[in-house]
Amino acid sequence: GQQLNQSPQSMFIQEGEDVSMNCTSSSIFNTWLWYKQDPGEGPVLLIALYKAGELTSNGRLTAQFGITRKDSFLNISASIPSDVGIYFCAGRSGGTSYGKLTFGQGTILTVHP
Amino acid sequence: DAGITQSPRHKVTETGTPVTLRCHQTENHRYMYWYRQDPGHGLRLIHYSYGVKDTDKGEVSDGYSVSRSKTEDFLLTLESATSSQTSVYFCATKGERSYEQYFGPGTRLTVT
Repeated sequence: GQQLNQSPQSMFIQEGEDVSMNCTSSSIFNTWLWYKQDPGEGPVLLIALYKAGELTSNGRLTAQFGITRKDSFLNISASIPSDVGIYFCAGRSGGTSYGKLTFGQGTILTVHP
Repeated sequence: DAGITQSPRHKVTETGTPVTLRCHQTENHRYMYWYRQDPGHGLRLIHYSYGVKDTDKGEVSDGYSVSRSKTEDFLLTLESATSSQTSVYFCATKGERSYEQYFGPGTRLTVT
């Protein structure tokens, strides 16, 4: 089946630093979604991308849909302690897939004050 | 936020017992999904529904069944729970004209 490789697996950064993470696949996706999960809670949608090359921002978060349609990137600027959590990418391929998503393994972000 | 609730939020059960988890949504979304989340595996799709009484298998459906008799409710049943089904289970929903899935708060299931 389709797989998404998300990297890095974990990051330890100082408050105020910028963060970059990415997802890559050998398959083409038509939609990329980025989620954040806090401990004990469900994933929360951060950004949705629908077109190759698209760059979308949500506050301090910026995500890009790769030109090849096989990758996506998430950047967090000026990190703060509440950015701590697990970040997941998810991709949707085309066709009658009933919106099924393939998820990356997640990037665990730790922010030191 | 699609107004998704899951019940129970926590459950401990014994091997061999049946277990049913409930997902309830208030947004009238057509599509509903059940995932399990395990360390090292991320989120994996168990079953999904594309309408009332319309369901299909996901990638890890063995040992699970689902039912959807109303738009707002999607039930996940473990007919005979096993220790390998200890996990956190998430329900998600998606509207008709969107590709964005919204998740519930999860159910932590422990099978002893």
